[in-house]
Amino acid sequence: DTAVSQTPKYLVTQMGNDKSIKCEQNLGHDTMYWYKQDSKKFLKIMFSYNNKELIINETVPNRFSPKSPDKAHLNLHINSLELGDSAVYFCASSQEGRLRETQYFGPGTRLLVL
Amino acid sequence: AQSVTQPDIHITVSEGASLELRCNYSYGATPYLFWYVQSPGQGLQLLLKYFSGDTLVQGIKGFEAEFKRSQSSFNLRKPSVHWSDAAEYFCAVGAPEGDSGYALNFGKGTSLLVTP
Repeated sequence: DTAVSQTPKYLVTQMGNDKSIKCEQNLGHDTMYWYKQDSKKFLKIMFSYNNKELIINETVPNRFSPKSPDKAHLNLHINSLELGDSAVYFCASSQEGRLRETQYFGPGTRLLVL
Repeated sequence: AQSVTQPDIHITVSEGASLELRCNYSYGATPYLFWYVQSPGQGLQLLLKYFSGDTLVQGIKGFEAEFKRSQSSFNLRKPSVHWSDAAEYFCAVGAPEGDSGYALNFGKGTSLLVTP
C-alpha cells in the first residue's frame, strides 16, 4: 500500500509544453506539499495545501500552479516548460501541517525538459 | 529566517565503521530539527526529529542525533554502518509555529558511500 504516490515517475518533454504531475496520499492527512530537488540535490518547498487551502507559496514562477481537488490529491501543473524546470519534484503529506509532524514523501517525478 | 548547513558533500566509510554526519543550523531560538534519508531513486524518509527535552534523540535504523545548542549543531551518528545505509542524508530545520509558517528548510545533503 503506497502512502504517497506520484504519476508519472518520469516525464520527458519539450520546452514550451504544458504538463501535469499528479499526487495522491491515502494516509488521511490534511496537508500536502510540493518540493523541487535540483540537479545538486538541493530540496526546496514550493507549495503547501491544508484541506485544499493554499498555505505556503514560495517564490515560484506563475507558470507553476498547484490544484487540490480534494484533500487527498495535490496536482502540479506547469505551463510553458523551461530548461530550468528540469528537476525531481516530490510530493509529501503530513497530518495537520505542523512542523512537529513527520512528512511522508512520494517517490518523486523526474522531469527533463529538452 | 532559519537555515541549515551540511558541511560535507560526500562521505565514505567502511562497512562496520562508525559514522557522523554534520549539520549546523542558524536560528535565534531552539528550532525543530530533522534528519531525512533518501535512498537512490526513492523519496525521503524521516530518521529522527528533535523539538525539545533530551538532547540525544534515537531514530530508526540504529541512528541517533545529538542537539548541541552551544555549537548550533545536530549531528547524526551511527555506531556501525551497513552497506544498505549508502544514501543521501538531509538535515532540515523548521521554525516553531507562529514564526515563519510550516515550511522545512533542507540542507544540501550529504552523500554517504559505504565501502566493503
